[in-house]
Amino acid sequence: SVLLYQKPNRDICQSGTSLKIQCVADSQVVSMFWYQQFQEQSLMLMATANEGSEATYESGFTKDKFPISRPNLTFSTLTVNNARPGDSSIYFCSSGDSNYAEQFFGPGTRLTVL
Amino acid sequence: GDSVTQTEGLVTVTEGLPVKLNCTYQTTYLTIAFFWYVQYLNEAPQVLLKSSTDNKRTEHQGFHATLHKSSSSFHLQKSSAQLSDSALYYCALSDSPNTNKVVFGTGTRLQVLP
Repeated sequence: SVLLYQKPNRDICQSGTSLKIQCVADSQVVSMFWYQQFQEQSLMLMATANEGSEATYESGFTKDKFPISRPNLTFSTLTVNNARPGDSSIYFCSSGDSNYAEQFFGPGTRLTVL
Repeated sequence: GDSVTQTEGLVTVTEGLPVKLNCTYQTTYLTIAFFWYVQYLNEAPQVLLKSSTDNKRTEHQGFHATLHKSSSSFHLQKSSAQLSDSALYYCALSDSPNTNKVVFGTGTRLQVLP
């Protein structure tokens, strides 16, 4: 299994500002994934991040709005640029330790944009 | 692309009665792993069940599911629902030999009433 830690647990920011969410794994993992979840709704995959390459974004998410860095095999950062109230949601990072294995999730970061 | 379908957004059941959450899928891959995730309120998703063997029943925490490749289904069942089972349930599959990316369904909220 993989243990994932996220920082911060929650954040409140003003519209138009940018904020960073960090994800740290307790072991080296090939891929890290970022998900967005609005209150009581489905998980939405935002992007896949592999070390040394640009993140691959899903439809509806862009690198300008949600740049993601993956500088090494245990760390990833999601940035929310020009935050808007519509970005208020929970952001999860996830990963797994082998192919065809389950993904493990970080505890999530609850973002509120005022 | 691959997809997972969960037709019910909300399932409500009385405590002590059986419950079934439906899951069907589409994939072009032959090697596939299937999962049921559960997400309790204010927590991250976690794996409840996993299977990759056709027609084999998998059980955990009183829940069970059987992968049926002939009907492309992996329904989740429990013979006696408990109040503590109230949560969001996701069906998911992993089909990539090169990454541990998981495709999630839209989720089914299970509400167990006293």
